[in-house]
Amino acid sequence: DTGVSQNPRHKITKRGQNVTFRCDPISEHNRLYWYRQTLGQGPEFLTYFQNEAQLEKSRLLSDRFSAERPKGSFSTLEIQRTEQGDSAMYLCASSERQGAYEQYFGPGTRLTVT
Amino acid sequence: AQSVAQPEDQVNVAEGNPLTVKCTYSVSGNPYLFWYVQYPNRGLQFLLKYITGDNLVKGSYGFEAEFNKSQTSFHLKKPSALVSDSALYFCAVRDGFTGGGNKLTFGTGTQLKVEL
Repeated sequence: DTGVSQNPRHKITKRGQNVTFRCDPISEHNRLYWYRQTLGQGPEFLTYFQNEAQLEKSRLLSDRFSAERPKGSFSTLEIQRTEQGDSAMYLCASSERQGAYEQYFGPGTRLTVT
Repeated sequence: AQSVAQPEDQVNVAEGNPLTVKCTYSVSGNPYLFWYVQYPNRGLQFLLKYITGDNLVKGSYGFEAEFNKSQTSFHLKKPSALVSDSALYFCAVRDGFTGGGNKLTFGTGTQLKVEL
């Protein structure tokens, strides 16, 4: 595996339901990021992990959102009681700890809340 | 706070002509600057970065970018555009100050259309 993978690629849910997305970073990367992208906008930072520690969270990450990276490998992003405003593309990225600063992005999970 | 501005929603250029996609930024400390490209229904693909050193940086697929500190700009360029370059381009910045965190702040994107 040479890239970041995300599952599912698409998710349609009804308002009020809970959803969970998964991200598998590049294997040697210990930093993992979540972003949200809406139509016509650039990605917006949500949260960041170094290994299993969640080191930074955006104000965009309301209390309905929670992210975990329990073993410092894959990560999950859960949205509880989804709202129509949560409809967006959720992007995951990873990067190395030392040296390189660029983040490598997965294909994203497109969430539609009906 | 850090921010990025991409003043053009769309840039049209004829194949074979040079292209420029503009980006200006604002950060408190030293800027770490990046360009990404996004094709339809796909994630962002890293093109190039400026961290320090030479103001002209070269990246993937023949793209380059010029860092200008006095104008706080980081414009993306290519000497000869291809139809296959047509995509959505994002400029991003990260504050290089140690306490600045690791998040990238992106611009709103510029749609590049290269026509025959």
